Amino acid sequence: KAGVTQTPRYLIKTRGQQVTLSCSPISGHRSVSWYQQTPGQGLQFLFEYFSETQRNKGNFPGRFSGRQFSNSRSEMNVSTLELGDSALYLCASSSPLTAGANVLTFGAGSRLTVL
Amino acid sequence: TQLLEQSPQFLSIQEGENLTVYCNSSSVFSSLQWYRQEPGEGPVLLVTVVTGGEVKKLKRLTFQFGDARKDSSLHITAAQPGDTGLYLCAGSAGGGGNKLTFGTGTQLKVEL
Repeated sequence: KAGVTQTPRYLIKTRGQQVTLSCSPISGHRSVSWYQQTPGQGLQFLFEYFSETQRNKGNFPGRFSGRQFSNSRSEMNVSTLELGDSALYLCASSSPLTAGANVLTFGAGSRLTVL
Repeated sequence: TQLLEQSPQFLSIQEGENLTVYCNSSSVFSSLQWYRQEPGEGPVLLVTVVTGGEVKKLKRLTFQFGDARKDSSLHITAAQPGDTGLYLCAGSAGGGGNKLTFGTGTQLKVEL
């Protein structure tokens, strides 16, 4: 079966712009989580959506937002980009059958560079 | 805030050597996972441990969850170049949802 698909894979933006990243989970997975990975901070949790509702939220400013659609696809948006937002943004989906064990399948990520 | 510290941060060894990576926290986790990430890819789950004192083996990899569920270790026997990658531990505080706290990572390089 197809894995977690993230688009775009690479993108370059300038400070002040906004960006939208997309994530298509594994078919049947209803939970989608987003993480930011940087060399300095490692992997940090952004937020999680389950059945179109935000279930958990990390400690990121309000410029970071997300949503989930009825087909479980998710998007995250970062407004007013800053240089420090340059990172690999990873999406992970989870099956409801394994929700209690937190079995996440990650996509390959979207590499954002802010100039 | 829960933190997971991994050691060592970097490890470069020869093929056939053994190694152990440690993952430590002052917080208790309901479960702990280990992932391996290769360049240009997302992390791939290796194992999940949920019971204090639990030991799981995956071929040449042995994972242990501390009795107090605050720490874990990953031991690789007879390392191979294919083991090269970034190893990450990740803890769940439980309570529903899929929010994970990731460790600082261990970059392993196995040379011929």
